[in-house]
Amino acid sequence: QVQLVESGGGVVQPGRSLRLSCAASGFTFSSYAMHWVRQAPGKGLEWVAVISYDGSNKYYADSVKGRFTISRDNSKNTLYLQMNSLSAEDTAVFSCARDPAYDASGRMDVWGKGTTVTVSS
Amino acid sequence: DIQMTQSPSSLSASVGDRVTITCRASQRISSYLNWYQQKPGKAPKLLIYAASSLQSGVPSRFSGSGSGADFTLTISSLQPEDFATYYCQQSYSTPFTFGPGTKVDIK
Repeated sequence: QVQLVESGGGVVQPGRSLRLSCAASGFTFSSYAMHWVRQAPGKGLEWVAVISYDGSNKYYADSVKGRFTISRDNSKNTLYLQMNSLSAEDTAVFSCARDPAYDASGRMDVWGKGTTVTVSS
Repeated sequence: DIQMTQSPSSLSASVGDRVTITCRASQRISSYLNWYQQKPGKAPKLLIYAASSLQSGVPSRFSGSGSGADFTLTISSLQPEDFATYYCQQSYSTPFTFGPGTKVDIK
């Protein structure tokens, strides 16, 4: 079945880096744009970034621009989020989500369960 | 950036009630509006896309309407499994912003 499984979360000190992964299965990963979305504890959903099917187009939320990098490896059916210069405000559950279009349509029709990132000293 | 607002922020309703949630964009976004349902500890689920198109597998008691800047999600007859938080999201332009959510709980 169609599935997205995130990994790589954990506890990290402020200023440090972390890389998240999202393993896709059950569909042709290379045909879909992919998103990262986060949710801080007790808060709403915040869109983070999107990458087109081939990695040629990437867009970011202002809150992460210049610090986070979205990428993908279609040979491994895996999406990544490299997060640098982390701060407490980045503490959240990070989820990957599939976009039903090659380029970003903006809607997200399949979601992973998320991985928790806690930034704390 | 396009800002999204929702009202109410929370509501209490009974099984069988008709429930309406509104969403407003800070600028016109045509029909580029999606609705998601999220239950505690679970991933969000796409309910409605393009303002009024029902996502495959979603019960027909859910419907969406609107265009431009004002949108509505309606649940025609609330079921026990519908108690959740609902988010609107604009897909007109990046950043793809979400509304703050509307929590629907049991009266």
